[in-house]
Amino acid sequence: GENVEQHPSTLSVQEGDSAVIKCTYSDSASNYFPWYKQELGKGPQLIIDIRSNVGEKKDQRIAVTLNKTAKHFSLHITETQPEDSAVYFCAASPDGKLTFGQGTILTVHP
Amino acid sequence: NAGVTQTPKFQVLKTGQSMTLQCAQDMNHEYMSWYRQDPGMGLRLIHYSVGAGITDQGEVPNGYNVSRSTTEDFPLRLLSAAPSQTSVYFCASSYRSETQYFGPGTRLLVL
Repeated sequence: GENVEQHPSTLSVQEGDSAVIKCTYSDSASNYFPWYKQELGKGPQLIIDIRSNVGEKKDQRIAVTLNKTAKHFSLHITETQPEDSAVYFCAASPDGKLTFGQGTILTVHP
Repeated sequence: NAGVTQTPKFQVLKTGQSMTLQCAQDMNHEYMSWYRQDPGMGLRLIHYSVGAGITDQGEVPNGYNVSRSTTEDFPLRLLSAAPSQTSVYFCASSYRSETQYFGPGTRLLVL
């Protein structure tokens, strides 16, 4: 089955800096790559996703890039704000079922 | 729309007890799934359903049963709880199997 590795496990940045979280996947058949944000005590919420037919997607301060050849994808958050502090999960799907990475705890210091 | 709802929010069980975690969605989604979340391990798929009457196993199905008699509801049953089932459980639904919407979760402690 699919295996997703996510790094780093924790990330601390100053407000206004950029944050980058990286994931690698194992199954070349994976064609859908969502990113979820989870705030304390809540369920994960989809923030952006990308499909295998595009290399990059952007939504305001958030962007995702995909390198199918290397089998890795990344989340980029620019101009970070304290409210961006949360746990972020990547996932990959070859067959409609999501396999998640281990999560990254992002802390944005004011 | 309420989205995806889960009950209870928190539950304490003794080893060997049984219980049902409830999940309901009002978005007319065909696809529903159950995950468990443990520290450092992300979310792992327990069971999923692609429509009423159809269920299948995920990555970690042992110790859990599901059924899907209606489009709206997808309960998760623990027949004989074990301490290893202490976790946070999330239900999710989607129109298609990819863009999933998660509920608020149920925290389960098995003593």
